[in-house]
Amino acid sequence: GAVVSQHPSRVICKSGTSVKIECRSLDFQATTMFWYRQFPKQSLMLMATSNEGSKATYEQGVEKDKFLINHASLTLSTLTVTSAHPEDSSFYICSALDRTYEQYFGPGTRLTVT
Amino acid sequence: GIQVEQSPPDLILQEGANSTLRCNFSDSVNNLQWFHQNPWGQLINLFYIPSGTKQNGRLSATTVATERYSLLYISSSQTTDSGVYFCATAAGNKLTFGGGTRVLVKP
Repeated sequence: GAVVSQHPSRVICKSGTSVKIECRSLDFQATTMFWYRQFPKQSLMLMATSNEGSKATYEQGVEKDKFLINHASLTLSTLTVTSAHPEDSSFYICSALDRTYEQYFGPGTRLTVT
Repeated sequence: GIQVEQSPPDLILQEGANSTLRCNFSDSVNNLQWFHQNPWGQLINLFYIPSGTKQNGRLSATTVATERYSLLYISSSQTTDSGVYFCATAAGNKLTFGGGTRVLVKP
């Protein structure tokens, strides 16, 4: 199956700083990628859809100025959490859509804001 | 939007037992996927099955799109099958996840 990587796997940052998370499709091109958030013992919640070469589409209730998404190439999407606060601590997971419309997921990034 | 419900929410199995996990969805879909989330959080694709039946080793899945449900069968369960199983559906490209079934297989 297709492989999606995420970096970093874990990050601890201080309140008020910004954190960038990278999502790469390693062996296929993905015009569409997705960013999810998962709280402990809960399901995945879609945050936004990232389209190569265009603006991301955010789900209702997700602040686009806080969660900046850039999809500059067919293999890379980035999520930047700006001015992070403790309530932003969570597990962030990206996925990439392959040409058969199956989604493949990255290993996730655990963000802790102190 | 599409509502996705999974049952049961929790399942405890003795090693070697068989089990069936269910996923109900509220609307017509063009995509249905089953995933296994391991203890480290990685989602592993099990099946892409908008309709029909597929098998992969000890796992198999059936989706009856007209009745809006899908089933995941685990046979001869092993301790490594422990984790959370999610189904997710989409009417376009955006997946909506069910709440998951947390499976614990005891030796």
